[in-house]
Amino acid sequence: AQRVTQPEKLLSVFKGAPVELKCNYSYSGSPELFWYVQYSRQRLQLLLRHISRESIKGFTADLNKGETSFHLKKPFAQEEDSAMYYCALSGRGSGNTGKLIFGQGTTLQVKP
Amino acid sequence: EAQVTQNPRYLITVTGKKLTVTCSQNMNHEYMSWYRQDPGLGLRQIYYSMNVEVTDKGDVPEGYKVSRKEKRNFPLILESPSPNQTSLYFCASRDRGGEKLFFGSGTQLSVL
Repeated sequence: AQRVTQPEKLLSVFKGAPVELKCNYSYSGSPELFWYVQYSRQRLQLLLRHISRESIKGFTADLNKGETSFHLKKPFAQEEDSAMYYCALSGRGSGNTGKLIFGQGTTLQVKP
Repeated sequence: EAQVTQNPRYLITVTGKKLTVTCSQNMNHEYMSWYRQDPGLGLRQIYYSMNVEVTDKGDVPEGYKVSRKEKRNFPLILESPSPNQTSLYFCASRDRGGEKLFFGSGTQLSVL
């Protein structure tokens, strides 16, 4: 079964501390993984995707197929990083309906 | 401006009174989808549409209907709302083959 698990509902860190938001997935095929972010009073938006191997706002995420994980990391958290973060999975291939499966979300709180 | 527009932003209704939440996108996207967001459960897909007149159930379709008569519009219909449908609803769209979902700003529905 396809599943995305974010084990932490809330992650609270101090400004300048490293951040790691955990995401584990279960998928039998070849997955595409994403991180979406929802800042207060704003709509959900794409933060980054594993295919791009990019760093956005200092965040990076590496797909680890052995551990079936896609953890989101940032070396030094900023207060403006406070938001709800969702890990999401989409299956590849001709049968791909484009359906995204979301995790439960993790609220990141960066304290001054 | 490219965007997904949902209306209304807030809606309070009573059990059994039919309602419609509208969703419109101006990006000529083929794929559109509805999600509900509940604490601890993350985002769950209700219905999606791959194109005009093509709709399919997501993970939690019970109690909802959708239609896709035009490419830009994808309304969510609750024929007989119940209190367990109190939730925050998001509409989203993306282009065929695209990876990025564009989200609306959300509709907070309360069913009394």
